[in-house]
Amino acid sequence: EGQLVQSGAEVKKPGESLKISCQGSGYIFTNFWIGWVRQMPGKGLEWMGIIYPDDSDTRYSPSFQGQVTISADKSVNSVYLQWSSLKATDTATYYCARPLSGPDEAFDIWGQGTMVTVSS
Amino acid sequence: SYDLSQPLSVSVALGQTATITCGGDNIGNKNVHWYQQKPGQAPVMVIYRDINRPSGIPERFSGSNSGNTATLTITRAQVGDEADYHCQVWDSSTDLHVFGPGTKVTVL
Repeated sequence: EGQLVQSGAEVKKPGESLKISCQGSGYIFTNFWIGWVRQMPGKGLEWMGIIYPDDSDTRYSPSFQGQVTISADKSVNSVYLQWSSLKATDTATYYCARPLSGPDEAFDIWGQGTMVTVSS
Repeated sequence: SYDLSQPLSVSVALGQTATITCGGDNIGNKNVHWYQQKPGQAPVMVIYRDINRPSGIPERFSGSNSGNTATLTITRAQVGDEADYHCQVWDSSTDLHVFGPGTKVTVL
């Protein structure tokens, strides 16, 4: 059925850079989009963007455009979420998730989440 | 932008039926998906495209969607159903996924 495994929790200082990862297995990785979803502490889910690993076609939510970079490396079945300069407000849990088929579909497979803490 | 509304919380007696609503302008014209999220865990899809239940999700979970309201219904509620429930749609006018604010379900 497939599985997404994310990199571990991170603790960073404001202004630092960060790249977290999401590795897919158990399915043909290049056949499916993968999205990123933010969940701030005690809050709801926010869709950040989505990428098609086969050709790196990427779409961003306007709320996150310019704030993060989504990338993929199909040679290692992985997608990434990257910040060049973290802020305290980036403190959240970040999930990668695979839609059923196209980029507009429900997310049927989720990673376990990566907790990012940004604090001085 | 397209907005979704959900009640902050819903309480249900053990063994009874919980109804969770998701409101949006003409949401009946969109595909609505529902996720269950327990504390400290990733979301799990429980309903997709309004009414479809993934394998492994109990038949006690069902969905409907019409007009301005989509509904997730949990019959014969169990303690294990306590969780946050999030609705989600794809807004084709902006090419964005939109999530509702989430509803906390408590089983009494």
